Amino acid sequence: DQQVKQNSPSLSVQEGRISILNCDYTNSMFDYFLWYKKYPAEGPTFLISISSIKDKNEDGRFTVFLNKSAKHLSLHIVPSQPGDSAVYFCAASARNQGGSEKLVFGKGTKLTVNP
Amino acid sequence: EPEVTQTPSHQVTQMGQEVILRCVPISNHLYFYWYRQILGQKVEFLVSFYNNEISEKSEIFDDQFSVERPDGSNFTLKIRSTKLEDSAMYFCASRGPGWEQYFGPGTRLTVT
Repeated sequence: DQQVKQNSPSLSVQEGRISILNCDYTNSMFDYFLWYKKYPAEGPTFLISISSIKDKNEDGRFTVFLNKSAKHLSLHIVPSQPGDSAVYFCAASARNQGGSEKLVFGKGTKLTVNP
Repeated sequence: EPEVTQTPSHQVTQMGQEVILRCVPISNHLYFYWYRQILGQKVEFLVSFYNNEISEKSEIFDDQFSVERPDGSNFTLKIRSTKLEDSAMYFCASRGPGWEQYFGPGTRLTVT
């Protein structure tokens, strides 16, 4: 079941540059999307979310873009910092479809920001 | 900043034994969840809980699993008779009025 796909298992960027993490989904019922960051031996930490009625949401260094027609979203981190090194998960839910709140996760992308 | 806490951090049990994983959600949250992540696999939904009842559960959440909110602060996941394939990280999550779910640090369950 690959409803949420993160096709890049890893990404390496230089400190100060932009990190772009990508996520694709197949279920057109998804209407809410979230990004989580996860350090080893910790739980996922919520970063930013976006509703399907928007195409962009920004919070400080983090911006999420949603392209509904392409069923694609991306997380931009700028400027990237070494402390951003972690695994990033994309997640989606179909809140307005029978009220399902379960999050469906991608496999994650490991981001390494080099000093 | 309020956070979800989970105990124990690591639980080792023998196959066939019962385990109870404990979670303390963020205090003003009303929606609670359990997820698990088998090593090398995705985080997967188990169950959601609201107003003292299960609101949704996955195919994984069979009769061997149960959840309970025994008091005003704890939220527990019980596995009645553990199997080797239950070995995983178990994450509790909660949410308030917004739609984002906040996760605890997880309990690593090892079934031998």
